[in-house]
Amino acid sequence: NAGVTQTPKFQVLKTGQSMTLQCAQDMNHEYMSWYRQDPGMGLRLIHYSVGAGITDQGEVPNGYNVSRSTTEDFPLRLLSAAPSQTSVYFCASSKWGDTQYFGPGTRLTVL
Amino acid sequence: EDKVVQSPLSLVVHEGDTVTLNCSYEVTNFRSLLWYKQEKKAPTFLFMLTSSGIEKKSGRLSSILDKKELFSILNITATQTGDSAVYLCAVHRGSTLGRLYFGRGTQLTVWP
Repeated sequence: NAGVTQTPKFQVLKTGQSMTLQCAQDMNHEYMSWYRQDPGMGLRLIHYSVGAGITDQGEVPNGYNVSRSTTEDFPLRLLSAAPSQTSVYFCASSKWGDTQYFGPGTRLTVL
Repeated sequence: EDKVVQSPLSLVVHEGDTVTLNCSYEVTNFRSLLWYKQEKKAPTFLFMLTSSGIEKKSGRLSSILDKKELFSILNITATQTGDSAVYLCAVHRGSTLGRLYFGRGTQLTVWP
């Protein structure tokens, strides 16, 4: 099993550009989440999903969109990138909604 | 408002020391508390605690939960330089399946 995979590993964007961060898991987990991590801030939840077709907002959803058309994939879209979105982004998945397994992360810089 | 507070925020010790990391929480409909270790990359799972007073142990690491006083501790004995990492505490609420509430983490540095 590959576990949770994320692409790309690194990305540099200009202000106003859009992009999609990819996340996939092969563990047949229902629960998937996106977090961002900023220095000294721990992990903050952006959006999460409890199954295909069902998504909900977390603590910091503004500027991000998600969709969940399959159990395996949970992409995160940045609509119009801003410097405040410079961060490390982690995707996670879980079978029962508690113990979550994290992907390797995407380091995003917005200039 | 739900809160997860970790202390201390940073800690520097020498190899062989024993450390105790703290996590207190205020959440409604508590379901479980989780500890993660993060070393410059993705967090890796250490423990999940659901019941008070039952210690979970893995090698030199152990953890216990007190649901009455709303806190958990993570102990590391005979620390090694490889224990240097950020330790994250997270709480899972039963009414919000699939989301965890994280504290800010404790940065542990172990000097040789």
